[in-house]
Amino acid sequence: DAGVIQSPRHEVTEMGQEVTLRCKPISGHDYLFWYRQTMMRGLELLIYFNNNVPIDDSGMPEDRFSAKMPNASFSTLKIQPSEPRDSAVYFCATRDGLSYNEQFFGPGTRLTVL
Amino acid sequence: DAKTTQPTSMDCAEGRAANLPCNHSTISGNEYVYWYRQIHSQGPQYIIHGLKNNETNEMASLIITEDRKSSTLILPHATLRDTAVYYCIVRVTGGGADGLTFGKGTHLIIQP
Repeated sequence: DAGVIQSPRHEVTEMGQEVTLRCKPISGHDYLFWYRQTMMRGLELLIYFNNNVPIDDSGMPEDRFSAKMPNASFSTLKIQPSEPRDSAVYFCATRDGLSYNEQFFGPGTRLTVL
Repeated sequence: DAKTTQPTSMDCAEGRAANLPCNHSTISGNEYVYWYRQIHSQGPQYIIHGLKNNETNEMASLIITEDRKSSTLILPHATLRDTAVYYCIVRVTGGGADGLTFGKGTHLIIQP
């Protein structure tokens, strides 16, 4: 398996623009997590899904952020409008519903908002 | 999830055992100890976890004290590729609490 796939790997955009980050989970994994990492706040959970249903979105910072999982093979994290303080590395992680042992993280998307 | 305390940074010589401590004095009976690491510019990687017994896998060993208030992650023969930030996480499993709460971790530097 190719692991968790995230795209794009790098995104540079201007303030006010819409940004969409994408994640393809490992096949068969029915939990999907979105995390954000910044120097100031470290790694923080934004939202997670189970069987395509959002379970906990309490970490989503503002209404400008939204996440969807239309099917088991794809999830998006959208920021509209983007702001410079949204600059961060965004990670997607997935895990098998039968195992609580480990989450598998993707390589991340480095977002820079100018 | 219980709070954890880890040293900010540690050095270890290549080939030696790296021992990374973690304090979790408020851990409750149903909370597990998990370790992840993050190599520079990569996503975090699971290492090992345990409840109260010592655990070993191909990557590391986890030693949990009898009172479960602290633990030590041991990398038996550290290599330069083990340079990373190591996170100790204490959490229950399931019940809707599925996300990971990361602290600041320990930056382990393996010296040649």
